[in-house]
Amino acid sequence: QSALTQPASVSGSPGQSITISCTGTSSDVGGYNYVSWYQHHPGKAPKLMIYEVSNRPSGVSNRFSGSKSGNTASLTISGLQAEDEADYYCSSYTSSSTLVFGGGTKLTVL
Amino acid sequence: QITLKESGPTLVKPTQTLTLTCTFSGFSLSTSGVGVGWIRQPPGKALEWLALIYWDDDKRYSPSLKSRLTITKDTSKNQVVLTMTNMDPVDTATYYCAHSGFDCSGGSCYESWGQGTLVTVSS
Repeated sequence: QSALTQPASVSGSPGQSITISCTGTSSDVGGYNYVSWYQHHPGKAPKLMIYEVSNRPSGVSNRFSGSKSGNTASLTISGLQAEDEADYYCSSYTSSSTLVFGGGTKLTVL
Repeated sequence: QITLKESGPTLVKPTQTLTLTCTFSGFSLSTSGVGVGWIRQPPGKALEWLALIYWDDDKRYSPSLKSRLTITKDTSKNQVVLTMTNMDPVDTATYYCAHSGFDCSGGSCYESWGQGTLVTVSS
């Protein structure tokens, strides 16, 4: 299984919105509504932000939202804040009953 | 409150076998639908999923590493053990264990993570 494709970096100014894409295949992203997104600040544990494409765990800000179209999933962060600056990873369940992560996207808040 | 903590050697030699232990609290691995997985991150690189064990002892492995990995659980000790054989310098990474609970159908995501443990492979 190949890693899901994410842009290496995205950036935005405080208050703006950004979207991070995550492209896979019909054997993972496109085949299941089991796409998740994680926020990872270096040196800390990754944090689940979105599960099952668009669901937010309890305690996650509603500024974070997820969607999917075909083989591409997206994470949108609205009202960017300085503390949103981190690495973001998508993951998807696969047809082999395993999990695959994306290559990660570094978000810079300008 | 769910907590997980990874433990094991910080340095292993090439060709050796790595054994990592995940000790957790706040949930039981005998509860239906619950799983514990392992994920790693080489320095400066992306997360990579390694393995998952379910409450019913069902096990899943990364296809690319399947021949080298073994995951087991000790429910009475609240521990999950991952062994990786034939270690190589490219296996140098921070290794995380993580909890897959009721929000994560079929082990599709991880709600809680340990802090990770850095394992260096070098002679």
